[in-house]
Amino acid sequence: KNQVEQSPQSLIILEGKNCTLQCNYTVSPFSNLRWYKQDTGRGPVSLTIMTFSENTKSNGRYTATLDADTKQSSLHITASQLSDSASYICVVSAGIGGATNKLIFGTGTLLAVQP
Amino acid sequence: DSGVTQTPKHLITATGQRVTLRCSPRSGDLSVYWYQQSLDQGLQFLIQYYNGEERAKGNILERFSAQQFPDLHSELNLSSLELGDSALYFCASSGTGAYGYTFGSGTRLTVV
Repeated sequence: KNQVEQSPQSLIILEGKNCTLQCNYTVSPFSNLRWYKQDTGRGPVSLTIMTFSENTKSNGRYTATLDADTKQSSLHITASQLSDSASYICVVSAGIGGATNKLIFGTGTLLAVQP
Repeated sequence: DSGVTQTPKHLITATGQRVTLRCSPRSGDLSVYWYQQSLDQGLQFLIQYYNGEERAKGNILERFSAQQFPDLHSELNLSSLELGDSALYFCASSGTGAYGYTFGSGTRLTVV
């Protein structure tokens, strides 16, 4: 069964600190993995997207890694800011590509950055 | 602005009523996806359309239906509304490769 699990479920950190969010997946065939940031009541916004051959991808203070062998991904946030408070969702695309791909959503990690 | 437009942003209606949510995909995107997100829950996939045809179905209730029109905009129809249908409804669109997957800002539906 295709599944995406995220940990921790929630996280509280102090402003300026770093943190790492985890995503484990059992999805086949794997197409790509995306990290989204969702502010409360808003639509998810894409942070990074990685295919099988990519190990790491950065977007400003956000760095995602992908280990296709262990089927794990992480999202590292550097020097956190209050505006980083949001839900972070890991989404894995299953399929051979194209419109037939199926997206499997993790339940998200709720991050709260405190001053 | 993500390029995916959803209207209305907010909707309040009574139980038993019917509403229509609208989504205009990014220019050039052929696929439209609908998702439901209840309070403190993850995104639940409802249905996908590709170039006017239904492509995939998720946990969509029989009281809900959708369609995609020739101009590629899509509508999600929710009927016989119940209190539990109160949620955020998101639309997303993608091109042929499902690589550039973009969400709209959502419609918040409140059933009273």
